[in-house]
Amino acid sequence: SYELTQPPSVSVSPGQTTSITCSGHKLGDKYACWYQQKPGQSPVLVIYEDNKRPSGIPERFSGSNSGNTATLIISGTQVMDEAEYYCQAWDGSSVVFGGGTKLTVL
Amino acid sequence: EVQLVESGGGLVQPGGSLRLSCAASGFIFSSYSMNWVRQAPGKGLEWVSYISTSSTIINYADFVRGRFTISRDNAKNSLYLQMNSLRDEDTAVYYCARWAGDIAGRRMIDYWGQGTLVTVSS
Repeated sequence: SYELTQPPSVSVSPGQTTSITCSGHKLGDKYACWYQQKPGQSPVLVIYEDNKRPSGIPERFSGSNSGNTATLIISGTQVMDEAEYYCQAWDGSSVVFGGGTKLTVL
Repeated sequence: EVQLVESGGGLVQPGGSLRLSCAASGFIFSSYSMNWVRQAPGKGLEWVSYISTSSTIINYADFVRGRFTISRDNAKNSLYLQMNSLRDEDTAVYYCARWAGDIAGRRMIDYWGQGTLVTVSS
């Protein structure tokens, strides 16, 4: 079965740029999307089709996908961005999530 | 406004059954494929099942195949998950989730419900 791998945790200082990676075999041949989940809340889509932002998502969120790695980039990270982030792809018959990355802003 | 409201969660003994429901509103339910996604306490997101608009395509994660059954009633704008032979490891918040589309670039979840907690314990 297809697998997506994320680092368990990433730390960043407020105002800095951070990136969260998601690795999978030939992931660049698929589309990747990203969800943000804050404690006690449902996930929210922040990036789709590798690098597109849904309406209402701040411009500081961007993405890329090439080779075996998709990347979520947050520019000028804010304290409110502290959350768990999950990548997701479709393997042809099932939805595949990465294990999640806890982003700490301190 | 798109709304997905799950119900039916609760405490059930191992080996027992439970039926989850999801009431959809604010969009044309029959035009969207749907999913169930779960999240065990303190753990990550885990896809459970997918159903296409007219129920012609149904997929399950390996760990629920043969035990869970997804279904929908487009006339009632509702999604269901029948869960049988429940195990301790099925304990999780179960989310009803709208699939944005079945074409490249749209295979993502664009709306999530608030979730319903299923606890399997003796």
